[in-house]
Amino acid sequence: GAVVSQHPSRVICKSGTSVKIECRSLDFQATTMFWYRQFPKQSLMLMATSNEGSKATYEQGVEKDKFLINHASLTLSTLTVTSAHPEDSSFYICSARDGVTGELFFGEGSRLTVL
Amino acid sequence: SQQGEEDPQALSIQEGENATMNCSYKTSINNLQWYRQNSGRGLVHLILIRSNEREKHSGRLRVTLDTSKKSSSLLITASRAADTASYFCATGGSRGSTLGRLYFGRGTQLTVWP
Repeated sequence: GAVVSQHPSRVICKSGTSVKIECRSLDFQATTMFWYRQFPKQSLMLMATSNEGSKATYEQGVEKDKFLINHASLTLSTLTVTSAHPEDSSFYICSARDGVTGELFFGEGSRLTVL
Repeated sequence: SQQGEEDPQALSIQEGENATMNCSYKTSINNLQWYRQNSGRGLVHLILIRSNEREKHSGRLRVTLDTSKKSSSLLITASRAADTASYFCATGGSRGSTLGRLYFGRGTQLTVWP
């Protein structure tokens, strides 16, 4: 079946640094990808919609300058957490929509810990 | 949550028992989906029920939808220890540019004891 790969699965960084998380669709082209954030024992919160070749659409309350999203190809979207702080520590999950079938697939998530 | 509430927040049962989780949502929907998440992992899609459906079955899963009450329930019958996970309902866009944009409930943490 279709697979969505996220990398890295875990990352630890120092406060003030930037971290990039990749989301790849491995055997399909994803015209649209979505980024979610999940705090411990809480729900997934939609952060933004990433469209190939155009600017991302951010949900209300999500800082676009803080969470940079780039969807440069039909198989890759990246989320960059800029100047990360401990409160950005979270589990980030992406999903990708197959441009042909419309099916939606989730990645395994990336756990970010900011010290 | 962005979408609504689920109850209970946590459910602990013995193997073989049935588990029922409820979800309420805020807006009109075209469909509602249920997902499962093992601890620290991604999501697995379980079942989708459309707004014109009232009940749907898939294996040991039964989902109901009451659009008048804006609520849904997920029933897992004859539970197994391997069913231990968090379960989320989700609603969202179903067409055009909103397709795949999901809003999740708070989730129910199900623990099934052997």
